[in-house]
Amino acid sequence: GPKVLQIPSHQIIDMGQMVTLNCDPVSNHLYFYWYKQILGQQMEFLVNFYNGKVMEKSKLFKDQFSVERPDGSYFTLKIQPTALEDSAVYFCASSWDWGGAEQYFGPGTRLTVL
Amino acid sequence: GDSVTQTEGQVTVSESKSLIINCTYSTTSIAYPNLFWYVRYPGEGLQLLLKVITAGQKGSSRGFEATYNKETTSFHLQKASVQESDSAVYYCALVPPPNYNVLYFGSGTKLTVEP
Repeated sequence: GPKVLQIPSHQIIDMGQMVTLNCDPVSNHLYFYWYKQILGQQMEFLVNFYNGKVMEKSKLFKDQFSVERPDGSYFTLKIQPTALEDSAVYFCASSWDWGGAEQYFGPGTRLTVL
Repeated sequence: GDSVTQTEGQVTVSESKSLIINCTYSTTSIAYPNLFWYVRYPGEGLQLLLKVITAGQKGSSRGFEATYNKETTSFHLQKASVQESDSAVYYCALVPPPNYNVLYFGSGTKLTVEP
């Protein structure tokens, strides 16, 4: 079936540094999502994105977070600066439509902030 | 707010035996959410197993089934006879109205099927 890729699979950085997580969504999808899962906890919604704009975001989507998809390339999540509590697995998803369409997930990027 | 509860963190079942993984949900909306079961096989990304959008209906896929019960606010996953290849982590989830865009996940149940 359709695949979402995430690069890298694991990233280790020092607190205060900037990090960019990359997502290669399914090719004809137009809607994009990030979810965050802290070890031992539930996966939680961060943000969704369409046509160059953030559509919805949760309280977890702090001011230090930003998303973009320049020129139809990777859909990225940038954290600047990082904090210890940002350590988690970040999952990207994409869908072809809004409002209940199936979201296809990537395998996740494990971010470790030291 | 909206939430999903899975009470079992881990379940171990012998091959060919039956399985039930419990899921209950809570929503503040008057309208009904859409309900899902997702599965993550070892080394793979999360994938949709089945989806039900109408209360009272049953969804099924790969021998698994789940019924949307609005009276008990439950969406338990069942299979009559499990196989080793079913070993994975199963997540119950919902998308609430009105936008149906944001997935709320349970904490997941790790299923181990023993030969």
